[in-house]
Amino acid sequence: EVQLVESGGGLVKPGGSLRLSCSASGFTFSSYKMYWVRQAPGKGLEWVSSISSSSSYRFYADSMEGRFTVSRDNAKNSLFLQMDSLRAEDTAVYYCAGPLTTSDAVDIWGQGTMVTVSS
Amino acid sequence: DIQMTQSPSSLSASVGDRVTITCRASQSISTYVNWYQHKPGKAPRLLIYVASTLQNGVPSRFSGSGSGAEFTLTISSLQPEDVATYYCQQSYSNTWTFGQGTKVEIK
Repeated sequence: EVQLVESGGGLVKPGGSLRLSCSASGFTFSSYKMYWVRQAPGKGLEWVSSISSSSSYRFYADSMEGRFTVSRDNAKNSLFLQMDSLRAEDTAVYYCAGPLTTSDAVDIWGQGTMVTVSS
Repeated sequence: DIQMTQSPSSLSASVGDRVTITCRASQSISTYVNWYQHKPGKAPRLLIYVASTLQNGVPSRFSGSGSGAEFTLTISSLQPEDVATYYCQQSYSNTWTFGQGTKVEIK
């Protein structure tokens, strides 16, 4: 079964750090570009970051550039998001997602992990 | 960044109605638009990719069209299980963007 499972969410103070993980199974993880998408409470979906299959290319949304770092370990079928200098507005459910059917969209999603930034 | 603007932001329609959601890009993006359905507490679901290709397993009442900067998602006959928020998303650039969402309810 194709599956993505996020972990690492929780409560963190403003200015703090958190590292999210996403464990992939059921498909050849190393062949696919992977993504992070978030949804703040009461808000819409927001693309966070992308990483190419070999980690050669990484892209970030403007508001996360310089604070978030995406990485992956293909040997362990894992995707990561290191989040530093967290702000209240980073409070959201974070999803990892990947493209199996097409390289132009994401069709497999994890269940999401909640990150709350609050003092 | 490419901005994606959806309209309407919400709609209420009867079961069996035809529903159309529009998405406009701030520049031409060919057909690099995808549509997702998102229900509370669940992961988003890909419905349509590259403007008009129906994802496997998605009911045929969903369809997409458009190219350039204007795109539409149509539900030909609204069903109770279609209550959700729908998002367009562009994959033309390396930095993706989503529309703000359209909440669909049953009248």
